Amino acid sequence: ETGVTQTPRHLVMGMTNKKSLKCEQHLGHNAMYWYKQSAKKPLELMFVYNFKEQTENNSVPSRFSPECPNSSHLFLHLHTLQPEDSALYLCASSQGTGTGATYEQYFGPGTRLTVT
Amino acid sequence: AQKITQTQPGMFVQEKEAVTLDCTYDTSDPSYGLFWYKQPSSGEMIFLIYQGSYDQQNATEGRYSLNFQKARKSANLVISASQLGDSAMYFCAMREGVGGKLIFGQGTELSVKP
Repeated sequence: ETGVTQTPRHLVMGMTNKKSLKCEQHLGHNAMYWYKQSAKKPLELMFVYNFKEQTENNSVPSRFSPECPNSSHLFLHLHTLQPEDSALYLCASSQGTGTGATYEQYFGPGTRLTVT
Repeated sequence: AQKITQTQPGMFVQEKEAVTLDCTYDTSDPSYGLFWYKQPSSGEMIFLIYQGSYDQQNATEGRYSLNFQKARKSANLVISASQLGDSAMYFCAMREGVGGKLIFGQGTELSVKP
């Protein structure tokens, strides 16, 4: 079984729609992350949750709203997005958030989002 | 300033040969970790190898080894005996200190030729 799953894998939405991305990890980790990967750009960290508490918001616009109901689940609620928000959204989890191999991040397969 | 720099947008290697993917980093924190990830066309990021700033020896994981040159601030990934399945994007990343963010480089697209 894949350690980190993401649904849906592909999503096309209009700028006025509201949708949610879901991430679930089966690794018993305590930290979860959302990343955005745009074409020709490095991965950009969006949010970090540690023990369900948000510990990092990397100046993300409010049209992206994360939710972490427990350490195994992470959501990204989307509303009134812009075409430039089209990207691959990756979820990851790790044992914790410190430095060290123990804290390597395991990624899901991503959701390919297209905003029309 | 860029924290992580990967200067090779694309690389080609013949099957069964070794290849080195370059990564340089910039930090003033004495405690940091360096990571390499592989991203196939399916999109999933796969953790390959880790090097801590205080590790005395270069990290190795199977066919992957990390050529860590601390004074030069470089952490190149060496893949030995390349396989067709190694064709993918490869990202170098760094985490500074405790609780620091994981910062990724631009990536290198590796193509393995039969």
